[in-house]
Amino acid sequence: DGGITQSPKYLFRKEGQNVTLSCEQNLNHDAMYWYRQDPGQGLRLIYYSQIVNDFQKGDIAEGYSVSREKKESFPLTVTSAQKNPTAFYLCASSSPGGSAMNTEAFFGQGTRLTVV
Amino acid sequence: RKEVEQDPGPFNVPEGATVAFNCTYSNSASQSFFWYRQDCRKEPKLLMSVYSSGNEDGRFTAQLNRASQYISLLIRDSKLSDSATYLCVVKSGNTGKLIFGQGTTLQVKP
Repeated sequence: DGGITQSPKYLFRKEGQNVTLSCEQNLNHDAMYWYRQDPGQGLRLIYYSQIVNDFQKGDIAEGYSVSREKKESFPLTVTSAQKNPTAFYLCASSSPGGSAMNTEAFFGQGTRLTVV
Repeated sequence: RKEVEQDPGPFNVPEGATVAFNCTYSNSASQSFFWYRQDCRKEPKLLMSVYSSGNEDGRFTAQLNRASQYISLLIRDSKLSDSATYLCVVKSGNTGKLIFGQGTTLQVKP
């Protein structure tokens, strides 16, 4: 089945530790995105990548890092510099598309990160 | 000013009501527009894309006004199962950024 997979679903880490969240897709999508969602809030863009080996900062990139070495994979590292990392992290992918059709984003099931 | 703005609600409506959500966006280079639905503690899922000519899918109608940079979603004959948060999403044609509004919460009551 084609889709986008995030792992783990729940993650607990001690304060000050770096942690990497996995995101893999087999939809052959060029574009991938990472979002953070806090309770009762919308999705805020952390990083996005339109193509392999290239990525751009979103609105809240500080304290996060990403890589895009393969088309299928876009891991997110939450570093110790991120002051308030506890949140719901969502990864998405989409086809850039030449028209408005078929460019919607598909989401993984998310990772709930809790830092204690 | 946020790039994509929605009225967060909540909207509390009885079953069978018609409810409309609005969304404005600031980037005139925006290319693609969508409405997503998000249930509590779940990932967002595409409800419908929004086309310039307007489009309808059953009880749901989406409209786009590029001149006013405004998107709307109309839900007719609301069902209990429509209770969720509805997210307006805009994709930039220049950068490929996919920006979400903060979401509008709908609660349909019996």
